[in-house]
Amino acid sequence: GAVVSQHPSRVICKSGTSVKIECRSLDFQATTMFWYRQFPKKSLMLMATSNEGSKATYEQGVEKDKFLINHASLTLSTLTVTSAHPEDSSFYICSARDLRGSNYEQYFGPGTRLTVT
Amino acid sequence: GEDVEQSLFLSVREGDSSVINCTYTDSSSTYLYWYKQEPGAGLQLLTYIFSNMDMKQDQRLTVLLNKKDKHLSLRIADTQTGDSAIYFCAGHSQGGKLIFGQGTELSVKP
Repeated sequence: GAVVSQHPSRVICKSGTSVKIECRSLDFQATTMFWYRQFPKKSLMLMATSNEGSKATYEQGVEKDKFLINHASLTLSTLTVTSAHPEDSSFYICSARDLRGSNYEQYFGPGTRLTVT
Repeated sequence: GEDVEQSLFLSVREGDSSVINCTYTDSSSTYLYWYKQEPGAGLQLLTYIFSNMDMKQDQRLTVLLNKKDKHLSLRIADTQTGDSAIYFCAGHSQGGKLIFGQGTELSVKP
C-alpha cells in the first residue's frame, strides 16, 4: 500500500516550452502533496505544499508563476514548469500524506528527471 | 525552524555494521525518520521513531534517539552491497513539513 507514482519519469524539452509533471497517490487519498527539487548529490528542497481544492503554498524564493501547482483531486497533483530554462533542469520529486495518517509520514514518488535544452 | 545535519559520506566493508549519524535542532518533532534513496529513484521510508522512544529495532535496522543531545542514529547490521545508497534523516516542522538532512552517501565495498 501507499504507492505514489509520477509521470513522466524523464522528460527533455526545449527552452521556452512548458512541461507538466503528474503526481498520483494510487491506493490512498492525499489531502496534502509536496513538491521537492533535488540537485545532484544534494538534499531535497521543498518547493511547495499542495492542498486539495485550494491554492498551493510556496516556499520562499520559489516563483509561483513559473512553477504552477494544481491539486484538483484527492489523488492527483500536477506541477507545470512554465517557460522552462536550462537552469530548471533538475530531479523533481513529489510526496503525498495519507489522509488517515497520524505520524506526518510522507510517501514519495519515484521522481521526474527534467532536462531543458 | 528545524535544522538537520548529517555527515556526507560513509564507507564500510560488506558484512560490517554501518552507523549513520544525524543531529537536529528542534526537539518538537513528534517523529523522526530515516529515508533511503537509490540512484535515480525517489525516497523510500526505512523506519521512523516516535520521540518518546529511545530505540527501535526492525530486522537489520536499529534506530537510537538521544533527545538530550538531539542525536539520531541508524545502524545497519551485516551491511550488504545493496545497501549502498544515500540515507536521509528527517524531522518535521509544526506544520508537518519534513525537514531533511543533507544525506549520507553509504558506500559498501565487497
